[in-house]
Amino acid sequence: KAGVTQTPRYLIKTRGQQVTLSCSPISGHRSVSWYQQTPGQGLQFLFEYFSETQRNKGNFPGRFSGRQFSNSRSEMNVSTLELGDSALYLCASAAGGIFDYNEQFFGPGTRLTVL
Amino acid sequence: DAKTTQPTSMDCAEGRAANLPCNHSTISGNEYVYWYRQIHSQGPQYIIHGLKNNETNEMASLIITEDRKSSTLILPHATLRDTAVYYCIVRAPTSGSARQLTFGSGTQLTVLP
Repeated sequence: KAGVTQTPRYLIKTRGQQVTLSCSPISGHRSVSWYQQTPGQGLQFLFEYFSETQRNKGNFPGRFSGRQFSNSRSEMNVSTLELGDSALYLCASAAGGIFDYNEQFFGPGTRLTVL
Repeated sequence: DAKTTQPTSMDCAEGRAANLPCNHSTISGNEYVYWYRQIHSQGPQYIIHGLKNNETNEMASLIITEDRKSSTLILPHATLRDTAVYYCIVRAPTSGSARQLTFGSGTQLTVLP
């Protein structure tokens, strides 16, 4: 079956702008998590959505937000971009059922560059 | 989540077994050991997980010590495509709740020709 897809793959923005990234999980998966990866901080958890509800949130400012649609597709938005927001943004999908043992499937990521 | 300690880097000859260690001395009884890897500029890839018994799948084997304070991921016949950063993560199963994964620095495995 098709894997996790993320669009766009690459994005260049300037400081102060906002950006929206999209993630389509594996068919049938209801959990979508977002991560930020930078050389300095490594992989850091942003938030997780399950059945259109945010279930967990990492330690990021309110400029980072997300949502999930009824078809499980998810978007994340970053407003008032800063240079430090330049990163690889990764989306991970999981089945989300009772016996979900954290096997998460990651997409290829969106590389955001803020100038 | 319990803290994990991994070597920063390791080399392995192509065709040989790669043994990647992980220490998790503060692991709790209900926490599992998970391994993910990340090939350069790609998203992390799930490899395997286990609780206390040794586990094997088509990608790797996971050996967990009897006291569960450490584990070893074994790639039986490493290839150049196995060059990646390998992450050991300790986490309780989610049982329908949040799925946050806490990634450490991992081990950079380089498979040499």
